[in-house]
This record gives sequence, structure tokens and C-alpha cells, in this order.
Amino acid sequence: AQTVTQSQPEMSVQEAETVTLSCTYDTSESDYYLFWYKQPPSRQMILVIRQEAYKQQNATENRFSVNFQKAAKSFSLKISDSQLGDAAMYFCAYRSGNTPLVFGKGTRLSVIA
Amino acid sequence: SAVISQKPSRDICQRGTSLTIQCQVDSQVTMMFWYRQQPGQSLTLIATANQGSEATYESGFVIDKFPISRPNLTFSTLTVSNMSPEDSSIYLCSVLRDSGTDTQYFGPGTRLTVL
Repeated sequence: AQTVTQSQPEMSVQEAETVTLSCTYDTSESDYYLFWYKQPPSRQMILVIRQEAYKQQNATENRFSVNFQKAAKSFSLKISDSQLGDAAMYFCAYRSGNTPLVFGKGTRLSVIA
Repeated sequence: SAVISQKPSRDICQRGTSLTIQCQVDSQVTMMFWYRQQPGQSLTLIATANQGSEATYESGFVIDKFPISRPNLTFSTLTVSNMSPEDSSIYLCSVLRDSGTDTQYFGPGTRLTVL
């Protein structure tokens, strides 16, 4: 079974600084998708960024980028120029084919003004 | 993307009662899922709601406790039966518009408290 591991239960970052959230996963599939979701206190799950495993280029969405290391099964999220609104729970997730998302345990990010 | 609504947004229920949560999507989707998020925890898949047939449940979840319906391609319900305080959680509906590369989207969740 596929598993997703987030080893950082909590992280903090100064406003305007950069922070990296870690994620590793385990799978025997060669074709799959990886995601980072954000869950603010409103509890709405918001897609931050996605990566297709067959793409070597790391995905980027404005201030958010990933470092995808397929051989190492690593998928970290970098948030640049952190803003107060970035404070939330961040979940790393995996999906292949028609199977539903499998989530890591999450990392709570605090942004310090 | 997909616009997903859930009703109710929150509820407080008594032990032993049942609550039905509704999930409505703004357009037809291939797959619908129900997740549970216990306080301070990650999301755990309860089941995949199948249109016109019985839902597919994950290990640890059974139909008698969490009956699910999906009468069409835009609507599903999850019932939490014979509730206990341990059922206090956020319940989230999630959809895939198409299989393959499509992103999985989430409803706003239903916060359930069982006294």
C-alpha cells in the first residue's frame, strides 16, 4: 500500500522568509501524482500545487514550488516570501490511476510577523 | 475545478442518533469520496461512493455504521449511524471530475460533534 510521510508536525517561519516542508512517499507505481493541499482554520482543503511523476521539471505556482526527487521518493514544498495568510495545515498527498488521495499526517505552519 | 457544497456545515448531535450529510456538485463527476478528519488528525478515506451500486468501504469502516448513497453523478449522502462521541469529526466530500490526471477537489466539510 502506498504511504505518505510528513516528518515535521510543526514548522514556523518569519514573514517574508522562505520555508521548506518535507514529504516522502512509498509506492511501487511508476505513474502517479503528488499534491500539496493547504487547510486553514476554515477547514476548506485548498490545492496548492501538483506534480505529475512523469514530468522531470519541478512544478511552480507563484511563491510555491516543489523539489521532486523521484528516485528518492521525496516531494518537498518551498514557500517563498511567506505571508501571514500562509499559516495553515499543509498536507502532502499521493494518487495513482483512479485511486483516491492518500494523505500524510500534515505539517502545521505558523508565520511570525 | 468543481464547486462542491455540503449540508449541514456543522451539527451537534446526541449519542445514539444518526445524521445524514449531503454533498452536491455543480457538474457531473466520475468519482465521489467521503473522508473523515478526526480532531487534529489527517484525512482518512471512509469509502468511494459508486453511482447506482453499493459504496466501496475502506478497512475499518462498515456499511451499517456509514451507509452511503449516490443516486446520480452530482449527489451523494453519508449517514453516520448510532453516533458516539468518538464519531466527532469533520466529514469531507471529495470528487474527481475525470479519472487520470484530474485533481481531487473537496467540499467545505461538515463539523460533527456528538455529546
